[in-house]
Amino acid sequence: SYVLTQPPSVSVAPGNTAIITCGGNNIGNYGVHWYQQKPGQAPLLVMYYDSGRPSGIPERFSGSKSGKTATLTISRVEAGDEADYYCQVWEYSSDHYVFGTGTKVTVL
Amino acid sequence: QVHLVQSGAEVKKPGASVKLSCKASGYAFSSYHIHWVRQAPGHGLEWMGIIDLSGGTTVYAQTFRGRVTMTSDTSTSTVYVDLSSLRSEDTAVYYCARGWDSRYLDYWGQGTLLTVSS
Repeated sequence: SYVLTQPPSVSVAPGNTAIITCGGNNIGNYGVHWYQQKPGQAPLLVMYYDSGRPSGIPERFSGSKSGKTATLTISRVEAGDEADYYCQVWEYSSDHYVFGTGTKVTVL
Repeated sequence: QVHLVQSGAEVKKPGASVKLSCKASGYAFSSYHIHWVRQAPGHGLEWMGIIDLSGGTTVYAQTFRGRVTMTSDTSTSTVYVDLSSLRSEDTAVYYCARGWDSRYLDYWGQGTLLTVSS
């Protein structure tokens, strides 16, 4: 089955930039979506199809994909950005949805 | 506005079955899909499967095949997930989420905690 690998944790000081990566085999062939999950809450879609930002998501959130890695970047990080972040793809050959392993972003 | 409201917490014994519900409102129910995703305590998100509400077709993750059934009631805009032969490892928060041909999950329910314990 398809695997998406994320770093377990990323730490960043307020005002700095957090970079969260998501690696997968031939990830260039897939649309990558990102979710933010704060403690005790349901996930929230923050990026779709690599770099699309849903309504209401701050411009500080951006996405990209290059080679074997998709990236979610959070600029000018705020305390409220502290959360777990998951990438996700639709694996077309199996018609299954796959989530990444998740990254905990800690704001120092 | 789109809302997905899930049923309340459940406690079940190993070997039992459970049926969780997810009531949708604020959009054209049959034009979308509903996913079920679960999250064990301290763990990540695990996709369980999807039901296409336009025709009722389902796709289940390999891990759950044979133990899970997803159904819907268009008259009440409610989707159900039935999980059988419960074991302690099924203890988790279960989420429903809306999807469509876009292949991402744009609205999520609040989650239902299922505890499996003897």
